[in-house]
Amino acid sequence: AQKITQTQPGMFVQEKEAVTLDCTYDTSDQSYGLFWYKQPSSGEMIFLIYQGSYDEQNATEGRYSLNFQKARKSANLVISASQLGDSAMYFCAMRELSSGAGSYQLTFGKGTKLSVIP
Amino acid sequence: EAGVAQSPRYKIIEKRQSVAFWCNPISGHATLYWYQQILGQGPKLLIQFQNNGVVDDSQLPKDRFSAERLKGVDSTLKIQPAKLEDSAVYLCASTPRGTGGSPLHFGNGTRLTVT
Repeated sequence: AQKITQTQPGMFVQEKEAVTLDCTYDTSDQSYGLFWYKQPSSGEMIFLIYQGSYDEQNATEGRYSLNFQKARKSANLVISASQLGDSAMYFCAMRELSSGAGSYQLTFGKGTKLSVIP
Repeated sequence: EAGVAQSPRYKIIEKRQSVAFWCNPISGHATLYWYQQILGQGPKLLIQFQNNGVVDDSQLPKDRFSAERLKGVDSTLKIQPAKLEDSAVYLCASTPRGTGGSPLHFGNGTRLTVT
């Protein structure tokens, strides 16, 4: 079963508008973490924002915020005031505990391609 | 702080040939990961090291893929023999040990094309 589901293969947003990228996850762990990464056409993976399962407040980083709804197991990324440079692939990922003690790994969704229109 | 270094940036080989990729993680990062990213998909974990020991290699096709991390610093990933379906970007990432909230820091990847 997929652990991270991103249902939007592609999204369009007008420049300066806000956009929400959806992410749902599946885990039976009580302690977990959720990450969003941006991957421009150049290929590098850029970390955007992190939300821990015990964090009571939604995470924010500049124009990025994470709409965390624990009961629904969703962790949607909100980008405010979109810019042309925001055009990229966006990946949601969940931190899972590896078999080795104190070690973690990330499981990624399939991604959403965001296109910002001038 | 220097980032994760990977080489080569691009590689084109014929099927059944062998290839090796190199990764040097951020200094002091105990945990190193190799991910495979097929075009249009998210990265998939191949192998995870903690220092020089393997933590998870459950998704590594061990009949053709191998990886090592000698001395707990840099790492190499090898494919022998390569298949057409191995065409992908191979991403190396690192993170400090035991820090669940710390993000993985990725290198720029090696884009492999198997013809």
